[in-house]
Amino acid sequence: SAVISQKPSRDICQRGTSLTIQCQVDSQVTMMFWYRQQPGQSLTLIATANQGSEATYESGFVIDKFPISRPNLTFSTLTVSNMSPEDSSIYLCSGGQYNEKLFFGSGTQLSVL
Amino acid sequence: AQRVTQPEKLLSVFKGAPVELKCNYSYSGSPELFWYVQYSRQRLQLLLRHISRESIKGFTADLNKGETSFHLKKPFAQEEDSAMYYCALSRSQGNLIFGKGTKLSVKP
Repeated sequence: SAVISQKPSRDICQRGTSLTIQCQVDSQVTMMFWYRQQPGQSLTLIATANQGSEATYESGFVIDKFPISRPNLTFSTLTVSNMSPEDSSIYLCSGGQYNEKLFFGSGTQLSVL
Repeated sequence: AQRVTQPEKLLSVFKGAPVELKCNYSYSGSPELFWYVQYSRQRLQLLLRHISRESIKGFTADLNKGETSFHLKKPFAQEEDSAMYYCALSRSQGNLIFGKGTKLSVKP
């Protein structure tokens, strides 16, 4: 199994600023993903964080808005850039081995004023 | 298109009653399906996956390829089963797409 720590757990930010969310896994994982869960909605995949290369983004999400880093097999960051109130959401990190179950972080609750 | 549909936003039952949370999927390949659960103030966690065909906390789910369904069932609901349940489909890239979730409320 894997334990995923995510920080910050919550933040309140001003419009136009950026926030970087960190995700730390207690063991090496081949797969890491970032999801968004807007109020009352399901989880939407933002991107796959690829170790040593650029992230793979889902339709509707772009690197300029959500730059992602994954320097090694246990760590990833997601930045929410130039924030607007529409970015208010819970952001979730997940990770696991390929074709195995995914583990989830506890989420970052972001509010943009 | 790849899609997971959970038609019920809320399901309310009494303790001891049977429970069925519905999930239908759309996927062109060979599907791998999961049920995840999120209890109040806890993180999302795996409940079961169709490959393992196991029963967790009394819950079972059978993949029906003909009906493209993966309904979650439990014969006798308990109050501690109250939670948010998400059906999820694994894509070839290894990531998951989720249904909108069903909130299960088990009343005493």
